[in-house]
Amino acid sequence: DTEVTQTPKHLVMGMTNKKSLKCEQHMGHRAMYWYKQKAKKPPELMFVYSYEKLSINESVPSRFSPECPNSSLLNLHLHALQPEDSALYLCASSQEAGPNEKLFFGSGTQLSVL
Amino acid sequence: AQSVSQHNHHVILSEAASLELGCNYSYGGTVNLFWYVQYPGQHLQLLLKYFSGDPLVKGIKGFEAEFIKSKFSFNLRKPSVQWSDTAEYFCAVTPDRGSTLGRLYFGRGTQLTVWP
Repeated sequence: DTEVTQTPKHLVMGMTNKKSLKCEQHMGHRAMYWYKQKAKKPPELMFVYSYEKLSINESVPSRFSPECPNSSLLNLHLHALQPEDSALYLCASSQEAGPNEKLFFGSGTQLSVL
Repeated sequence: AQSVSQHNHHVILSEAASLELGCNYSYGGTVNLFWYVQYPGQHLQLLLKYFSGDPLVKGIKGFEAEFIKSKFSFNLRKPSVQWSDTAEYFCAVTPDRGSTLGRLYFGRGTQLTVWP
């Protein structure tokens, strides 16, 4: 199994809603990532987890709250989002969190905030 | 700040034409370089990577890339494209200072359309 699975594929939410994005991998990878990709823009790193601990937070607003309950799962909790947060949210994983690592990406969750 | 530039936003070619996609980065130290590809409706996947050694690296599906340190470039090439190469291509860079963590910085991508 070399897949990173993300659910849901599409999500529409209001600005007062609370929702969560989920990501799962069963490759034994110890690093997991959240990226945000706006239309016609490159993916931008949000968070990196290494061995289930948050290692990098790229100054992401607190309305995005990541969680890594175990080595296979990564969640992104969303609360009080703004319309400009609408984007494709990509999860990725790698064997370790080093600079030489190959990242495996999921297909993403397309989020629309109304 | 780290940046990756892909100057061609959309490239249109006929089958069998040769391809070269440009990638330049701005970072003075040692870097690791990647090309990722996203086929229509699919997720991002690694095409090839350069860490050290021979600056000409070969990837999957007949792609290759050449690292030219003096030009801060890592251009992607393929001698003869196929219709199935239609995809978005992203150049990406991680700085390598012996860090245990890697931040992967992406360029904005180049959409390649190949006409049969």
